[in-house]
Amino acid sequence: QVQLVESGGGLVKPGGSLRLSCEASGFIFSDYYMNWIRQAPGKGLEWVTYVSNSGDSIYYADSVKGRFTISRDNAKISLSLQMNSLRAEDTAVYYCARSPFGGSPIVDFWGQGTLVTVSS
Amino acid sequence: EIVMTQSPATLSVSPGERATLSCRASQRVSSNLAWYQQKPGQSPRLLIYGASTRATGIPARFSGRGSGAEFTLTISSLQSEDFAVYYCQQYDNWPFTFGGGTKVEIK
Repeated sequence: QVQLVESGGGLVKPGGSLRLSCEASGFIFSDYYMNWIRQAPGKGLEWVTYVSNSGDSIYYADSVKGRFTISRDNAKISLSLQMNSLRAEDTAVYYCARSPFGGSPIVDFWGQGTLVTVSS
Repeated sequence: EIVMTQSPATLSVSPGERATLSCRASQRVSSNLAWYQQKPGQSPRLLIYGASTRATGIPARFSGRGSGAEFTLTISSLQSEDFAVYYCQQYDNWPFTFGGGTKVEIK
């Protein structure tokens, strides 16, 4: 079955960096658009970034543009999110999320999430 | 950015009753609207996409309606497992945005 497992979260100081990874299984990774969506503690959802199945189309929320970089390696079946210049407001659970075949920008499978805490 | 506004923030409903949740977009999004359910400590789950199409495995008691800027999610007869937070999401334009959520709680 489809599985998405995030890793790499943790506590980091403001201005620091962190790299999140998502291990995918149970589907043909190279066929699907992938996303990172976050949820601050006790708050709603924010779509951070998405990447097309080939990796040639990428979008970022204004709140992270220039600081975060999404990447995928279809050969290694992996998705990453490099987060630099972290701020307190980046504190959230980060979900790796799959969009359905064809790229419709909704999410049909979510990982369990990894918590990123930005604090001094 | 399209702002999604959900109402009410909290809905108190008795098991077996009908619940109607609203979602309004700050501009028209056609039928590019999805609904998700999130239970405490869990990831969201897709319920509805295309404003009215149930996702795989979603019970028929969940139904979505609307187009343009006004949408509703109806749960026809609330079961114990339906008490959760519900989010709408527009995918007509980037950035794709979510509403603030409606918490459906037991009355």
